Amino acid sequence: QVQLQESGPGLVKPSQTLSLTCTVSGGSISSGDYYWSWIRQPPGKGLEWIGYIYYSGGTYYNPSLKSRVTISVDTSKKQFSLKLSSVTAADTAVYYCARYNDRSGCFDYWGQGTLVTVSS
Amino acid sequence: QSVLTQPPSASGSPGQRVTISCSGSSSNIGSNTVNWYQHLPGTAPKLLIYRNNQRPSGVPDRFSGSKSGTSASLAISGLQSEDEADYYCAAWDDSLNVGVFGGGTKLTVL
Repeated sequence: QVQLQESGPGLVKPSQTLSLTCTVSGGSISSGDYYWSWIRQPPGKGLEWIGYIYYSGGTYYNPSLKSRVTISVDTSKKQFSLKLSSVTAADTAVYYCARYNDRSGCFDYWGQGTLVTVSS
Repeated sequence: QSVLTQPPSASGSPGQRVTISCSGSSSNIGSNTVNWYQHLPGTAPKLLIYRNNQRPSGVPDRFSGSKSGTSASLAISGLQSEDEADYYCAAWDDSLNVGVFGGGTKLTVL
């Protein structure tokens, strides 16, 4: 059974960079069928797709966040990471990592999410 | 404001059938497939339906999905207390070039 687990600081100061890591277990991160994704949900609001990375390093970001987002992958550690720069209170959210399955066209496995609060 | 529109809440009694709608546009639901997720707060969201009406292995056949034009629906029959959760629809949007979600529907089992 594939499992994803987010980790990282729960509190980030405004203007700083939010950094999170997702560790994948129970399956390969290097399979060509999957894109490794980040999704967030601000309190009381809907889900927002942030972007994804392919095992070879190719990325695609939400155009609305593109200037501030970097997603990277470390296949040896079975991890992929999110960096979001110049954060504001509007970036306070539960951040999820998820596996996008290209064969079925859906996010078939998700992490349980981690709350990141932007506050001084 | 979510790109896909869902009712904020739905309810039903045990054993009943409930339907949750998801409304979009020609650039998302109208031209791409729809997926549905079940989410209990504090846990990992779970894939319920993919490609409009396909169930992953392990998902009971009480859950079914359909799509027509720019709208989609999730139906849950034989409602059980364990079905009480938040439900989200999702699709790719060709105009925005992003995956988009509905705002979620909180299902209450009375």
